Amino acid sequence: QVQLKESGPGLVKPSQTLSLTCNVSGGSISSGGYYWSWIRQHPGKGLEWIGYIYYSGSTHYNPSLESRLTISVDTSTNQFSLKLTSVTAADTAVYYCARAPGYSSGFDIWGQGTMVTVSS
Amino acid sequence: DIQMTQSPSSLSASVGDRVTITCRASQSIRSYLNWYQQKPGKAPKLLIYGASSLQSGVPSRFSGSGSGIDFTLTISSLQPEDFATYYCQQSHSFPRTFGQGTKVDIK
Repeated sequence: QVQLKESGPGLVKPSQTLSLTCNVSGGSISSGGYYWSWIRQHPGKGLEWIGYIYYSGSTHYNPSLESRLTISVDTSTNQFSLKLTSVTAADTAVYYCARAPGYSSGFDIWGQGTMVTVSS
Repeated sequence: DIQMTQSPSSLSASVGDRVTITCRASQSIRSYLNWYQQKPGKAPKLLIYGASSLQSGVPSRFSGSGSGIDFTLTISSLQPEDFATYYCQQSHSFPRTFGQGTKVDIK
C-alpha cells in the first residue's frame, strides 16, 4: 500500500527558502500514470493546490506561486520535493503531499501533512 | 482560475439525517469534480471522484451527482464519524481549485 510522508523544517525565516520532501513508500514513483502533488492549508482555512510533477519531470504549477516555486522528483530515492523561495508569513501553512492516479483525477493518497511556520 | 463555491458553509445535523452539500463551478467542468472529507488535524480523504464514483472503501451512504456547473454530495444517513468538513475540488483545469469547505457538526 502506497504511503506518503512529508519531511522538512518546521520553521523558516522570512525571505528564506522553504524546502520539503515527500517520501513515497510501498510503490515506485516511476511506475507511471500517477501525478505527485503538493497542497497546502493555511491555519483554519481551506485547501490550496501548489503544483504537480510527473515522474518524467514535467510539472504544472499554480500561477499564484509559480515565480517562487520549484517541484522536482528523484526517482532513485522515490521522493519528490518542493522549494518555495522568498517566503513570508503568508506561506505559513500545513503542507501536504498527495497522489493523483491520473491527469484529471482527484487526490487519492495523502501524506499526514507537515506544519511550516514562517517567522523570524 | 475556476472558482468553486460550496453551500452551505456550515450545517448542524443529527445522526440519521440526510445531508446534502452543493458545489457550483464558475464554468463547466464536465464531471471532473471530487469530494473530500477532512477531520481536525488530519489530511483530507477522497470520498467521490468523477462527480459520482465512490472511492474504494468509502461507505455507500455517501453519493455524488451532477455535471457541468452544479454538483451535490449526499450523505443518506449521517453517522457519528461523518462530522467533519467537506471540500469539493475540480480536476478539469489548472490550477486545481477547491471549494471553501462545508463544516458538518452535531445539532
